[in-house]
Amino acid sequence: KAGVTQTPRYLIKTRGQQVTLSCSPISGHRSVSWYQQTPGQGLQFLFEYFSETQRNKGNFPGRFSGRQFSNSRSEMNVSTLELGDSALYLCASMADSSGNTIYFGEGSWLTVV
Amino acid sequence: EDQVTQSPEALRLQEGESSSLNCSYTVSGLRGLFWYRQDPGKGPEFLFTLYSAGEEKEKERLKATLTKKESFLHITAPKPEDSATYLCAVQARGGSYIPTFGRGTSLIVHP
Repeated sequence: KAGVTQTPRYLIKTRGQQVTLSCSPISGHRSVSWYQQTPGQGLQFLFEYFSETQRNKGNFPGRFSGRQFSNSRSEMNVSTLELGDSALYLCASMADSSGNTIYFGEGSWLTVV
Repeated sequence: EDQVTQSPEALRLQEGESSSLNCSYTVSGLRGLFWYRQDPGKGPEFLFTLYSAGEEKEKERLKATLTKKESFLHITAPKPEDSATYLCAVQARGGSYIPTFGRGTSLIVHP
């Protein structure tokens, strides 16, 4: 059974640009959540999507957005990139709304220069 | 507000030297407590889910235990390949089911 797949794995962007990250959840999983991980802040929750609807949202500015498609695949977008957005962005999937275990992808390393 | 505190922040062990990592938590009704292992530059890998006080789970050299206030991850006779950051997270009953993560314990096992 394939795990959570994230693309791209590594990318470098310039300050002011925008970036789109993609995530394919485990087959059959309907919940997809996104996290930002930095050495200073640890794992911080961005948002969660379930059945194409944003169900939960963390405390991040509106530059961070996401969406989920009918096949449960998800994308997150960061506009007007800042140096502080450099981080490992993790996608996680969960089977359903009952609060089962979440499984993470390998992450997308974003460097903003 | 749910809180998770992991200790120590960093731990160095010699190969074969058993030890324990601690995860203290406060949550308004525990639905589940999770342990993950994270290697540098990679996503967290799921290890265990514990649901109620007294529950224990094992996997190879790792054993996780749970009380009403904390969880321990016991590492028996560790090997260098056990070196990683170990993350603990709690999920509250009701509400959003989004887990709250601790900052992790960085474990280094020397040969």
